[in-house]
Amino acid sequence: TQLLEQSPQFLSIQEGENLTVYCNSSSVFSSLQWYRQEPGEGPVLLVTVVTGGEVKKLKRLTFQFGDARKDSSLHITAAQPGDTGLYLCAGAVQGGSEKLVFGKGTKLTVNP
Amino acid sequence: GAGVSQTPSNKVTEKGKYVELRCDPISGHTALYWYRQSLGQGPEFLIYFQGTGAADDSGLPNDRFFAVRPEGSVSTLKIQRTERGDSAVYLCASSPHGWRTEAFFGQGTRLTVV
Repeated sequence: TQLLEQSPQFLSIQEGENLTVYCNSSSVFSSLQWYRQEPGEGPVLLVTVVTGGEVKKLKRLTFQFGDARKDSSLHITAAQPGDTGLYLCAGAVQGGSEKLVFGKGTKLTVNP
Repeated sequence: GAGVSQTPSNKVTEKGKYVELRCDPISGHTALYWYRQSLGQGPEFLIYFQGTGAADDSGLPNDRFFAVRPEGSVSTLKIQRTERGDSAVYLCASSPHGWRTEAFFGQGTRLTVV
């Protein structure tokens, strides 16, 4: 069973601070996605990383896929209250399956 | 519509009753997914459709759960003899070809079994 562990589970920081969220597994994934979910809404895709060692930047967000394609991180620079939400990582099972395995998420609160 | 639409947005039912949850995907999207999200958890895969056929139903927890997509568009998730443990948010997502292209989630149906 593929399992994605996210840490920390909860994070409360002040506006302007930097933070990193981690997503780890003992399994290899063909690709990994990061989503952001707000209360009462479905997850919204932020990024997909496919290649081991890949780094993608989306404004103040930096995503990295581990060399072995087992782990990923999301770094936010100068967090803003609008970044508040639940951040989920999800891995595509290796072997062509369309099943995505989600982590439990990191609930981020950015205080003004 | 512009996005994935799920109805109803909230459903309260009594233990033992039958419920149907509906998903209207984005027009033209051939791939459709159902996920279930319990409080404090990430979404859990239930079933994946490619067109009209269920390509992967390995996530359905037991035979009380069934889903259809008869015309390759709208899908219905059916739950028989509901139990309190079925209470969760049921999410639907659609994409043009699968996870290799972006998938779009609906807002979910919050099911409460009392």
